[in-house]
Amino acid sequence: AQSVSQHNHHVILSEAASLELGCNYSYGGTVNLFWYVQYPGQHLQLLLKYFSGDPLVKGIKGFEAEFIKSKFSFNLRKPSVQWSDTAEYFCAVNRDDKIIFGKGTRLHILP
Amino acid sequence: DTAVSQTPKYLVTQMGNDKSIKCEQNLGHDTMYWYKQDSKKFLKIMFSYNNKELIINETVPNRFSPKSPDKAHLNLHINSLELGDSAVYFCASSPTGFEQYFGPGTRLTVT
Repeated sequence: AQSVSQHNHHVILSEAASLELGCNYSYGGTVNLFWYVQYPGQHLQLLLKYFSGDPLVKGIKGFEAEFIKSKFSFNLRKPSVQWSDTAEYFCAVNRDDKIIFGKGTRLHILP
Repeated sequence: DTAVSQTPKYLVTQMGNDKSIKCEQNLGHDTMYWYKQDSKKFLKIMFSYNNKELIINETVPNRFSPKSPDKAHLNLHINSLELGDSAVYFCASSPTGFEQYFGPGTRLTVT
């Protein structure tokens, strides 16, 4: 079955630590990839996206993600997290106009 | 100007009632969606409409009926509400195949 897997369900880090959240998908062929963030009590907002070209994409708020086609992965990274990054993070894959979301990773940053 | 708006923001009702949630987008997008987010933050797509036509109808009870009077609106009507329907419902829109823009959500509580 087609799926999107986020390996870390809950991550706790201290401020200034580096972050990497894993995302793998099981589709073959061409896909569009996204990371969304949901701050507490708010709706989902787009962090970054990959459609084609440079597999290292930059997003808002210092986030970046790398598309590795051979590994079917699209991991999210940030070199130094802040307390305000506390949120739920969702990876999503769009193929043939069908979008599938991962189950989310809850990131908690300790001040 | 709000891009994707939903009303109401909060909805508290009793089991067995019928209720509607409205969604409007002013982005000119072709595709609109309804998602259900449960208490564990798991995001599940319910419906997708493209130019007023249903293109995705995931396995949801037939008590849920979407209605799209025009390209900018996608309303969700729920009959005979059950306790398990309590969740946050998000509307979203997108140009077909691209990133989604989410509404602020409607928190539905069934008592």
